[in-house]
Amino acid sequence: DAKTTQPNSMESNEEEPVHLPCNHSTISGTDYIHWYRQLPSQGPEYVIHGLTSNVNNRMASLAIAEDRKSSTLILHRATLRDAAVYYCILRDRQGGSEKLVFGKGTKLTVNP
Amino acid sequence: EPEVTQTPSHQVTQMGQEVILRCVPISNHLYFYWYRQILGQKVEFLVSFYNNEISEKSEIFDDQFSVERPDGSNFTLKIRSTKLEDSAMYFCASSDPSGGRETQYFGPGTRLLVL
Repeated sequence: DAKTTQPNSMESNEEEPVHLPCNHSTISGTDYIHWYRQLPSQGPEYVIHGLTSNVNNRMASLAIAEDRKSSTLILHRATLRDAAVYYCILRDRQGGSEKLVFGKGTKLTVNP
Repeated sequence: EPEVTQTPSHQVTQMGQEVILRCVPISNHLYFYWYRQILGQKVEFLVSFYNNEISEKSEIFDDQFSVERPDGSNFTLKIRSTKLEDSAMYFCASSDPSGGRETQYFGPGTRLLVL
């Protein structure tokens, strides 16, 4: 599985935008970029995924660099409920593997 | 919104005992997974299950572990003889084949404590 690198922790203030970076310099052409998050004492939760183009959904936006070697998860207005560990995960669409490989992620603290 | 459910939420057992962790995946999903998370560590993949058979398993998933879909709704993880190091949160997940299996939906987890 291709490796991703994320900062261990980040802090934000409530109602401000948050940009969570992820580096994946060894990404292959068939790797999708997925983001999951894990709220305290809960199971992981899907956030968003993309291949090449930027993506938006009701939870967040995903900005993918043109060379695909990095991406940024954008929370447009952080709330206290967004405090969680955010995981950037690469999944090879053609590889046939079902598993998600979680790293340590970025622990996001949201200050009131 | 449909969700994955897991029972029990907490389980305490003695070393060497068998435990069965239960999951009810989302009803139209056909791919099922178990993951575990030892306290303070990463979420680790254990096994995936499709069409009534294991499709992939990790090195952690040794002969002490087994999975079963005993009926149309439940998906279980059995640990035959628990060890202290099996203490962890166990998460069940499922995914929808029509969605290209891109998204896995996780349950709230079962916290297993082996004494």
